[in-house]
Amino acid sequence: GQQVMQIPQYQHVQEGEDFTTYCNSSTTLSNIQWYKQRPGGHPVFLIQLVKSGEVKKQKRLTFQFGEAKKNSSLHITATQTTDVGTYFCAAIRSYNTDKLIFGTGTRLQVFP
Amino acid sequence: DAGITQSPRHKVTETGTPVTLRCHQTENHRYMYWYRQDPGHGLRLIHYSYGVKDTDKGEVSDGYSVSRSKTEDFLLTLESATSSQTSVYFCAISKAGTGSTDTQYFGPGTRLTVL
Repeated sequence: GQQVMQIPQYQHVQEGEDFTTYCNSSTTLSNIQWYKQRPGGHPVFLIQLVKSGEVKKQKRLTFQFGEAKKNSSLHITATQTTDVGTYFCAAIRSYNTDKLIFGTGTRLQVFP
Repeated sequence: DAGITQSPRHKVTETGTPVTLRCHQTENHRYMYWYRQDPGHGLRLIHYSYGVKDTDKGEVSDGYSVSRSKTEDFLLTLESATSSQTSVYFCAISKAGTGSTDTQYFGPGTRLTVL
């Protein structure tokens, strides 16, 4: 079954507010990837984190990998309507290297 | 976007009928994957291929089979479709497999409805 939990499931924010989604695993992860899926679209790769405690930024998006490599977060500063979509984390377990395990996703709605 | 196409894009079929979905890539990537996406479950791996004629099961492989006779094509077959297989199916490709920290590129998806 699903071994990567993602919260929250839904988030509605006013444009300009911040947004954070969290990804948690009970087992140590080799690395973690983040994808964005626009409504009606397909998942698109955003970023990959590999090192313990790693932090990466893409404009208003900040991605973090936990020190124990069991959790990750995506934070969006000052959301815009173009941020609407579902954000998925996808992890590779340390002992299973050919399969990505996707989180259940967080659907973000931004109201103007 | 990577050169990935899926056919058909939409299909409605009846319970008990066989269905084959096709994924075609022009990137010459070694790895190909089939996922299904359902509300509340995210993306779940059905089967994947790590080379021509080399395939392996994912977490939800029951009721599905796959074949890869050419690098560019990966077929997903539902031998006898059931209503529980109503879903959106995504194909994905990667150059070197997730073990090498490679990323996956997704096709546009196929919406399958089994009545």
